[in-house]
Amino acid sequence: ETGVTQSPTHLIKTRGQQVTLRCSSQSGHNTVSWYQQALGQGPQFIFQYYREEENGRGNFPPRFSGLQFPNYSSELNVNALELDDSALYLCASSLYGGPYNSPLHFGNGTRLTVT
Amino acid sequence: GENVEQHPSTLSVQEGDSAVIKCTYSDSASNYFPWYKQELGKRPQLIIDIRSNVGEKKDQRIAVTLNKTAKHFSLHITETQPEDSAVYFCAAASGDNQGGKLIFGQGTELSVKP
Repeated sequence: ETGVTQSPTHLIKTRGQQVTLRCSSQSGHNTVSWYQQALGQGPQFIFQYYREEENGRGNFPPRFSGLQFPNYSSELNVNALELDDSALYLCASSLYGGPYNSPLHFGNGTRLTVT
Repeated sequence: GENVEQHPSTLSVQEGDSAVIKCTYSDSASNYFPWYKQELGKRPQLIIDIRSNVGEKKDQRIAVTLNKTAKHFSLHITETQPEDSAVYFCAAASGDNQGGKLIFGQGTELSVKP
């Protein structure tokens, strides 16, 4: 059984640029969630994807967007990067039905630094 | 809005002692409460979870208790070991069972001194 994999592991971007982060879900999992973890903080929910559609979103602006592909992998896109976007971006996969039915398992994350 | 408060923010214990971390949540509809352990530079790893239909769950040296009336839950680690040193996060599942999200606490940095 393969776990959640994310790429790249580290990324440095300049303010105003755009970035794409990628996630492959754990084998058999059809739902992907993205979280942002600022230094010294708990992860914050960005959004969740199921059947290639967003079905839940946290308090993040529209410049945070995503995609899910037929193989359940996912991308997180962030436009017009700001310094405060510097964080660890975590992807978690699960089976549909929310965390109650299927505990979230996280990938190792992508460390994004915006300068 | 939905919120999870976690205390203490730092905790230092001697090896072999017990450690207790406490969380309170605001959404009375929350029904799932996981605990994650995150070592420096690594992913959060699920160590134990509890659903709202039970009051206590134990797995070897780790136990979690839930008080739905008071809307708080706690993590208990007994016989602590240096490898237990990490940041621990509590969380509460908010939203319906079809797409609920996790609301995380701010984290507790546990240090176990040999």
